Amino acid sequence: DAGVIQSPRHEVTEMGQEVTLRCKPISGHNSLFWYRQTMMRGLELLIYFNNNVPIDDSGMPEDRFSAKMPNASFSTLKIQPSEPRDSAVYFCASSFIGDLLLAPMGNEQFFGPGTRLTVL
Amino acid sequence: KNEVEQSPQNLTAQEGEFITINCSYSVGISALHWLQQHPGGGIVSLFMLSSGKKKHGRLIATINIQEKHSSLHITASHPRDSAVYICAVGPPMYSGGGADGLTFGKGTHLIIQP
Repeated sequence: DAGVIQSPRHEVTEMGQEVTLRCKPISGHNSLFWYRQTMMRGLELLIYFNNNVPIDDSGMPEDRFSAKMPNASFSTLKIQPSEPRDSAVYFCASSFIGDLLLAPMGNEQFFGPGTRLTVL
Repeated sequence: KNEVEQSPQNLTAQEGEFITINCSYSVGISALHWLQQHPGGGIVSLFMLSSGKKKHGRLIATINIQEKHSSLHITASHPRDSAVYICAVGPPMYSGGGADGLTFGKGTHLIIQP
């Protein structure tokens, strides 16, 4: 299995530009998570999807951030307009959650390699 | 919101030493995860546990649900164990979530010197 795939791996852009990060989860997984990592705040959950439906986006910093999951094999995280404080590493992770009665604690999350975003 | 505290923040040890990293959290959880992040930045899941103890090779993870505390141990440490170790917790299932996003500790930066 190729694991979680993210693109691009590195992105350098200028303030005000639109940035789109992409994630392909592991085939068969039904949950997808977007995380952000900065030196100051460490790893933080931005948003997650179950069965392509956004469940909790309370971690999304502001309206400039949006995420979509049009199908089970693809998700995007978009920042428009970007600002220097958005510079961070953005990780995508996926997992499979089955019957909550059989597996109430959920399942292991597999992380992608991350996208290092620099906004100048 | 769960508060996840890790200690120590930084740890330097000699090859062969027994290493312990601690994690405590403030409210009940569905599961606790130990993650490893290498200097290259990739994140690997080491353990996911909700009770007792798990062992993979030289790594051992324990959790005490009553005390809301977990430890990660490394036996016979090696320079290749040098990495950031991150504790993360998932909220209780009764919170309504199926797969819920994790809350992370700040990480422990471990350096094993030869």
